[in-house]
Amino acid sequence: SQQGEEDPQALSIQEGENATMNCSYKTSINNLQWYRQNSGRGLVHLILIRSNEREKHSGRLRVTLDTSKKSSSLLITASRAADTASYFCATDRAAGNKLTFGGGTRVLVKP
Amino acid sequence: EAQVTQNPRYLITVTGKKLTVTCSQNMNHEYMSWYRQDPGLGLRQIYYSMNVEVTDKGDVPEGYKVSRKEKRNFPLILESPSPNQTSLYFCASGYRGGGELFFGEGSRLTVL
Repeated sequence: SQQGEEDPQALSIQEGENATMNCSYKTSINNLQWYRQNSGRGLVHLILIRSNEREKHSGRLRVTLDTSKKSSSLLITASRAADTASYFCATDRAAGNKLTFGGGTRVLVKP
Repeated sequence: EAQVTQNPRYLITVTGKKLTVTCSQNMNHEYMSWYRQDPGLGLRQIYYSMNVEVTDKGDVPEGYKVSRKEKRNFPLILESPSPNQTSLYFCASGYRGGGELFFGEGSRLTVL
C-alpha cells in the first residue's frame, strides 16, 4: 500500500522558476524523506525531516512537514535543467528503515 | 566509493527459468531491502533484512525469495519467474536505526 501520495503527478517549469510538490500520508510517522530519481536510475536521497521538525533546508531545497495535516512539501528554488527528474516522498513509520514510497512527481525543467 | 551494486542490470528470461539478482553493499549497513518499481505503482517493497540471517516480507513478497548469509550481500531469487514479475528492481541499504537509504542502479527484468 502507498503511504505517501505526491501531488502533482507531473510538473513542467522554466529554468529559474521554483518547483513545489506535495506529499500526503495516512498514518503517523517517525520521519519523512525525499528522494530523486533520474530516468531509469537509482534513487538518491535528498533530505530527511523528522516528525518533530517543521522545516528543513539543504542548498536549494526546502522541505516542510505538517504532522497535523499529514503532509509535506518539497520546494526547489531557482530550478535548473539538471533538476529534471522524478521526486518521491517516503515515510518511515517505525524508525526501522521500512520506508513506504509514494508514486512520485515527474518534474521537467525546460531550458 | 560507497555503493550498492546490483547484477545483472538487464535481463530477459522466460517463464519458469530460475534466476537470481545479486546485491552487494560496501558500507557495512545492517539493513538491506528489495523494491520493485512499476509505472503508476511507485516503489513497492518485496523483502527486507535487518541483519544477517534476519529477513522479513514487505508488501509484495509473493514469487520471491531472499537470503542474508553475509552482511554485504542480499540476493533476490525468482524460483519460477512469471510475466507479472517483469519490472525494474532496486536494492537498497541503510543503517538499522533508520535514516537514508542508498540505492543500487536498478535491474530491469523482462519475463517472456
